[in-house]
Formats: sequence, structure tokens, C-alpha cells
Amino acid sequence: SQTIHQWPATLVQPVGSPLSLECTVEGTSNPNLYWYRQAAGRGLQLLFYSVGIGQISSEVPQNLSASRPQDRQFILSSKKLLLSDSGFYLCAFGRTDTQYFGPGTRLTVL
Amino acid sequence: GENVEQHPSTLSVQEGDSAVIKCTYSDSASNYFPWYKQELGKGPQLIIDIRSNVGEKKDQRIAVTLNKTAKHFSLHITETQPEDSAVYFCAASDPVFSGGYNKLIFGAGTRLAVHP
Repeated sequence: SQTIHQWPATLVQPVGSPLSLECTVEGTSNPNLYWYRQAAGRGLQLLFYSVGIGQISSEVPQNLSASRPQDRQFILSSKKLLLSDSGFYLCAFGRTDTQYFGPGTRLTVL
Repeated sequence: GENVEQHPSTLSVQEGDSAVIKCTYSDSASNYFPWYKQELGKGPQLIIDIRSNVGEKKDQRIAVTLNKTAKHFSLHITETQPEDSAVYFCAASDPVFSGGYNKLIFGAGTRLAVHP
């Protein structure tokens, strides 16, 4: 069966520190991969998507970046976190149009 | 691009009642409409979806209807239970194709509370 993992589950980081969130998918090959952010009580904002290794598209310009070093691994990074980067980060995978979400990472920037 | 509006933003019902959440979309080329349930502190879970060649789909207590002419689709939950309490998101496909990628545009969400 297909499963998606994210870690860490929660993270508290000071302003200006770096960030690395990881997402891995099992049970499927060559999935489309997505990073979303959800502010408290808000909807889902698409940040990045990838249709293959090394292929990253950005939806929103900001101080975050994404990489896909392996077929089923998707990483969200930042060199210097801002207070506004706080939120719930969700990774998703899919083939064609259906998307399945991971458990999420709660990031608090202080 | 595609735009999705979702109503109501909050919905409170008594256990056993029905709940209906409605979404409208703007791009008539959209052809895929999923619904997600998000419990507190968890990722959204796909609960049902419908494609544009179907008018209605049902899965036990959950059903989704699609009106392509009016460009709206609805989630119907019958015999609600306290465990149905969650935030529900609708989405519509944004028909931008790039190597098989299909983007989803999400509604703002509906917080459903089912009271015993």
C-alpha cells in the first residue's frame, strides 16, 4: 500500500535559523510531490510541486526552497526562517490529479 | 485561473441530522472534484471525489453531487455522528498540464461540529 511520512512532527525554531523538513513516500514510483502550508485556521497554500527528480516548480516566491534528491523524497528548506514561516506544513503525493496528504509538520518560529 | 468558493465556513448540527457543504468553481474546464476531511492536528484525508462525467457519487453516509452547468458541487453527510466533526475542504482541478501534473485549487474550508 502507499504511505507518506513526514518528519519531524513538530518543530520550534528561532528566527534566522535554517530549516529542513523531509517527506518520503512508499509503495509507488515516480509520484507527483507537493508541499503545502496551512496557517492557523486557514486553507491550503501550494508552495512547490515536483513531477520528477530534480524538477521543482514554485508557486509562491518566498524564502523557502524545495528539492527532490530521490524519486520518493521531497525536502523543504530555508536558510533563514522568518516569523511568518510559522504554520502547518503538509506534503502530498499523487499520480495525475488525486492527491494524498501526509501527517504534517507543525512549525513554530519564535 | 480556477477559483473555488466554499460555504458555509462553520456548520453546527445535532447528531443524526444531515449536513450539506457547497462549493462553486469558476473554470468550466475543471474535471475533478475531491473532498477532504481534516481532523485537528492531522493532515487532510481524501474522503470522496467525483469526476465531471458523473453527476453523483455515494459512499455509505457520504455523497457528492456535481452540477456542471451551474459549476457547483456539494458534499452531503447523512446521519451525522460526533466523529464527523472536523474541517472539510473541497477542491477543483485547475486544468494546467505540465508532464501529467494537475493542480488542485482548494476552498477555504468548513468547520463542522456535530453535537450529541
